[in-house]
Amino acid sequence: DTGVSQDPRHKITKRGQNVTFRCDPISEHNRLYWYRQTLGQGPEFLTYFQNEAQLEKSRLLSDRFSAERPKGSFSTLEIQRTEQGDSAMYLCASSLRGSENTEAFFGQGTRLTVV
Amino acid sequence: TQLLEQSPQFLSIQEGENLTVYCNSSSVFSSLQWYRQEPGEGPVLLVTVVTGGEVKKLKRLTFQFGDARKDSSLHITAAQPGDTGLYLCAGYGGATNKLIFGTGTLLAVQP
Repeated sequence: DTGVSQDPRHKITKRGQNVTFRCDPISEHNRLYWYRQTLGQGPEFLTYFQNEAQLEKSRLLSDRFSAERPKGSFSTLEIQRTEQGDSAMYLCASSLRGSENTEAFFGQGTRLTVV
Repeated sequence: TQLLEQSPQFLSIQEGENLTVYCNSSSVFSSLQWYRQEPGEGPVLLVTVVTGGEVKKLKRLTFQFGDARKDSSLHITAAQPGDTGLYLCAGYGGATNKLIFGTGTLLAVQP
């Protein structure tokens, strides 16, 4: 296993279009996180899954954002009717559920630009 | 809502200088983690501190967990250009025990 993989690495879209990002976690990891990050800032929590169950979704997240992890393996994050404010890096991370010392492993992210 | 505030937000220093980054919260954490992120990459774990008052060293980096487990610090001795990056503290919290990150400290070490 080569780590967490995200696709695409870059996405440019027009305002109002829908976009979907994919994340493939480390195979034995049962927790999967999505974060949004702007330049120089810490990752902002969006949502996370334990296996196929979505445990929490940020209250700051509008209804235009949805995420799935249908078989407890890969996950998709969809943004409908994109806005310029959605431009950011979208990071995926995975970890093994365990103690609170568990390390999270990150992908390289998908950089979204809405024009 | 548990928040992790980092200071300073941005730090630009010369090679060889020392620096300290702080991570503060009003909430108690059972442990805190420190990650480092380079441009175009995801964050990578540096260390986890677990016990209040604990000090961990990683070469020129020294991490400390506050006695009350509400804060942590990262001290870098004799900084090098390779230390340049975004430093993030993180901890598990909230009702579902999710991993949340601090506001970040962007460090630039000039040669």
